[in-house]
Amino acid sequence: GAVVSQHPSRVICKSGTSVKIECRSLDFQATTMFWYRQFPKKSLMLMATSNEGSKATYEQGVEKDKFLINHASLTLSTLTVTSAHPEDSSFYICSAQAEDTSYNEQFFGPGTRLTVL
Amino acid sequence: AQKVTQAQTEISVVEKEDVTLDCVYETRDTTYYLFWYKQPPSGELVFLIRRNSFDEQNEISGRYSWNFQKSTSSFNFTITASQVVDSAVYFCALSGFTGGGNKLTFGTGTQLKVEL
Repeated sequence: GAVVSQHPSRVICKSGTSVKIECRSLDFQATTMFWYRQFPKKSLMLMATSNEGSKATYEQGVEKDKFLINHASLTLSTLTVTSAHPEDSSFYICSAQAEDTSYNEQFFGPGTRLTVL
Repeated sequence: AQKVTQAQTEISVVEKEDVTLDCVYETRDTTYYLFWYKQPPSGELVFLIRRNSFDEQNEISGRYSWNFQKSTSSFNFTITASQVVDSAVYFCALSGFTGGGNKLTFGTGTQLKVEL
């Protein structure tokens, strides 16, 4: 149980285009999902906390208009990188927190590698 | 604010050696959780262990063991008789309850290379 999927796993796009990344909890409902960004050989940095039915909470320094997050249902959150530029190239990882967890445990997706040309 | 420090950026060992990965944390929360994750080259995070702040018992799982010392705010991870398949980046993480709910704060990771 507790499987989280991400789609696509890898995407290459041209500069100026927008890219949407989906994060799904496959076998549980997730009130809260998190989006992380990881640069090569670096740690995971939390970008935003996504709550179902409400606006995402962004971490300091993360552009809300650049990284649009939508958590439309208890099993799906999307991250849209708008007008992508080469500096947006990164590994994006989502996680989902099960409603009944008492351990603050987040279940991680496999990640999406974005390359902007 | 929460902080996790993994001072070892990279460790190289020869197969069958024991290796300990250090993790030191800072938090103002009295209740918190500590985690270790493994990230192989594929990128997917693999959950290894969760420990809550009230449970200072050390834990052993096969070749893996964890030493939680609240007095020194450390949560170290030891791999016994390392194998090439253990080569990966290992992250220590902390989740508390202060001003941010359940957010995970990750350390910078330790790259472990196990060679034949």
